[in-house]
Amino acid sequence: DTAVSQTPKYLVTQMGNDKSIKCEQNLGHDTMYWYKQDSKKFLKIMFSYNNKELIINETVPNRFSPKSPDKAHLNLHINSLELGDSAVYFCASSQAGDNEQFFGPGTRLTVL
Amino acid sequence: AQKITQTQPGMFVQEKEAVTLDCTYDTSDPSYGLFWYKQPSSGEMIFLIYQGSYDQQNATEGRYSLNFQKARKSANLVISASQLGDSAMYFCAMREGLLGGGSYIPTFGRGTSLIVHP
Repeated sequence: DTAVSQTPKYLVTQMGNDKSIKCEQNLGHDTMYWYKQDSKKFLKIMFSYNNKELIINETVPNRFSPKSPDKAHLNLHINSLELGDSAVYFCASSQAGDNEQFFGPGTRLTVL
Repeated sequence: AQKITQTQPGMFVQEKEAVTLDCTYDTSDPSYGLFWYKQPSSGEMIFLIYQGSYDQQNATEGRYSLNFQKARKSANLVISASQLGDSAMYFCAMREGLLGGGSYIPTFGRGTSLIVHP
């Protein structure tokens, strides 16, 4: 059973388009995260959701918006895609009080 | 200032030898935690080991151990008996305090690429 899954694994799109990346975890965790890993492998947190509330919102463009329909899902919507949005996006989850975050396999986004 | 510094962009080690990957951190929070993650070429992020700031002993997980020197603010990862499958990027990360609900914001270092030679 996959613990944290993301779809799609690869996403190629044109500048200006709107796209979504889905994330689901079946671990029963109460917190989910989105990270962006750039071409130099630098990993930076973008969002975190705890019990359906956004508790962290790093200084990312407001073209990015997380949507959590329930505790097991945290989707990432991106409007008006730009070349600089090309990266690998990771979803992760953790349980309050635990130290380990479980990562999804990543979604490689390429904006042409 | 960077909160997590990994000064070794690349490291090489002979199979079966031990290797130390460096990590220094900067925080004024008395309660923090340090992590190491492995990212093989396939891209997934794999949790390796965790050390809490109040833990008295160095963390160990199988062939991985964390050399925690609080006064020096260092949290080096030691891999004993390296294997070819250890070739990967290794990231050191830190959380400072806990947010409401017990979650946390981690800060990652820029990573060290480890190559294990046969």
